[in-house]
Amino acid sequence: AQSVTQPDIHITVSEGASLELRCNYSYGATPYLFWYVQSPGQGLQLLLKYFSGDTLVQGIKGFEAEFKRSQSSFNLRKPSVHWSDAAEYFCAVAAGDYKLSFGAGTTVTVRA
Amino acid sequence: ETGVTQTPRHLVMGMTNKKSLKCEQHLGHNAMYWYKQSAKKPLELMFVYNFKEQTENNSVPSRFSPECPNSSHLFLHLHTLQPEDSALYLCASSQASEETQYFGPGTRLLVL
Repeated sequence: AQSVTQPDIHITVSEGASLELRCNYSYGATPYLFWYVQSPGQGLQLLLKYFSGDTLVQGIKGFEAEFKRSQSSFNLRKPSVHWSDAAEYFCAVAAGDYKLSFGAGTTVTVRA
Repeated sequence: ETGVTQTPRHLVMGMTNKKSLKCEQHLGHNAMYWYKQSAKKPLELMFVYNFKEQTENNSVPSRFSPECPNSSHLFLHLHTLQPEDSALYLCASSQASEETQYFGPGTRLLVL
């Protein structure tokens, strides 16, 4: 079965600074990979996804993620964070059976 | 309304009550999901419906009873819940042949 690890439980970043959230997955083949964001009191919003092709994926809100097969990673990045980016971020993987496995999430705090 | 909606957004119930959560998707999808999100734990898949048929029950206690009358509506009937069932319950939908799931805002449930 596939699994997802988000090593960082909580990250604090200054507004305007860059952000990188780590995600590692465990799966024998190339999985389908996702990043979701959850603002307080809200559901999950899809930021971006990777199925195949170009390993650098662009998403909404200025986010991008890079798939690295050799490292089994799918890290999320944003060059300059805004206060509104404070939220919880979830990496997820699907192994072709249409069921998502989620990581435990990374909480991002943005300081002024 | 667009996307995936859930009602109620908040629910407080006693252990002897019976209540129902409702989910409606306006995306033309034919697969629907219930997830449980507890504090500091990864999202837990509870049930999956494809074309109104239940295809996944992830060892969920019988005090949770799902119902999917059509591809647009999904219910979660609750009875004799326990305090540890307090959580955010998220509904999601997708095309049955695709991995990308779209989430509703969730119902915050508190069991007293």
